[in-house]
Parts: sequence; C-alpha cells; structure tokens
Amino acid sequence: ETVLTQSPGTLSLSPGERATLSCKASQRISSFYLAWYQQKVGQAPRLIMFGASSRATGIPDRFSGSGSGTDFTLTINRLEPEDFAVYYCQLYSSLGRFTFGPGTKVDFK
Amino acid sequence: QLRLQESGPGLVKPSETLSLTCTVSGVSISNPSYYWGWIRQSPGKGLEWIANINYSGTTSYNPSLESRATISVDTSKNQFSLRVNSLTAADTAIYYCARRGETWGWPYFDFWGQGTLVTVSS
Repeated sequence: ETVLTQSPGTLSLSPGERATLSCKASQRISSFYLAWYQQKVGQAPRLIMFGASSRATGIPDRFSGSGSGTDFTLTINRLEPEDFAVYYCQLYSSLGRFTFGPGTKVDFK
Repeated sequence: QLRLQESGPGLVKPSETLSLTCTVSGVSISNPSYYWGWIRQSPGKGLEWIANINYSGTTSYNPSLESRATISVDTSKNQFSLRVNSLTAADTAIYYCARRGETWGWPYFDFWGQGTLVTVSS
C-alpha cells in the first residue's frame, strides 16, 4: 500500500508570498492519479488540482501543480487571504481505492 | 445545480451500527460517468476515504474499514448509503459524501456534501 507524506506540516506565510507544498509517495505512482484539495475551517474539501498539474474548474492560475514518480508539489503564487487553509494530496490506486496525505496547513505568519 | 446532502443520527452508542444516507440532486446517480463515495474526518484530523459505489453496485472499500463498512445505492431515490457496524469512539468523525468524477480517466472527488458529525458515545 502506497503511503503519502506531506511537508511541511504547517507553512507560515504572509499574503503575497509563494507557498510550496510537498507530497511524497512511498513508491512510484502515476501522476495521473494525484489530486490536491483545499479545506477551510468548517467546510468540506474543495478539489484544486487533478492529474498532478491540471487545475479544477474555477481554480485561479496562481495555483499550479507539478511532479512525477514519488515527488509532487503544489505551488501557490502570490498568496491571497482566501488561500490560507489546509491542503491535502490524494492518490487513486488501480484497485479503485483512494488515500489522502496528512495535510499541510498554510497559515498567517 | 449538483447538491449532495448527508443525513443520519448525530449520536450513536458504542458497538451499534451507523447508517448514513446521501441524497443527490441535480444529476442522476445512474449516470455511468460517476462513482459515489464516503470520506470521513476525525475531529482535528485528516481525511480518510471509506468506500465508493457506482449505479450498478460496483464497490471498492478502504481495507482498514472493509470488514465493518457496507456501501449501497438506491437509484430509484437517487441516494446512496453507508453502514458501519461495531462502532467505537474512534469512529467519531464528520462523514462526507462526495461524487467521484474523472477527466481523461484521472479520478477525483469534485463535489462534496457539507458533512455530518457523528459522535460515538454512550
């Protein structure tokens, strides 16, 4: 079973700065099966990115995703106040199963 | 407009069985393009996928919950459901229902319900 780890656990930044979030898989995975979600306090998660680098509908272009193999990155350029949230990466396996990473919290410095 | 709404008891006793239903509106649950799933989140913790199902009843489960969880679909009511038995305090969580969509064969959860808090306590 592939395990996802995310780092850092918390990222303290100011609006306007760049956020770089890491998601590492315990074994090589297909980038097609890697997605990212944003979750704000008291809300359901929101799909941000699928296929590692494709933005979901309505997601601004300051969000970008990259990576392959075992290392994947979500980058948020020029943080806006509404971007401060918890971000989860998620893996889909060929058995039809899903695994989430533990999350990275982006909070105000 | 697509909407998913969870319903079920907010409080369940240990060792009992939890039953949750997700009512889908705005799209037919029989659309073969989609699966439907349950994800939970313990207080202050991360997300845990539980199970998925499609309109024909094809299922997949998280191995850690497979022995206690059952997902089902009722296309006549445009609903799908989750049952989890032998509950313990560790099952206390917000339970979300969600739609599993995909683009070019790349799957993801693109629409979520608001979630329902289930507390396991005597």
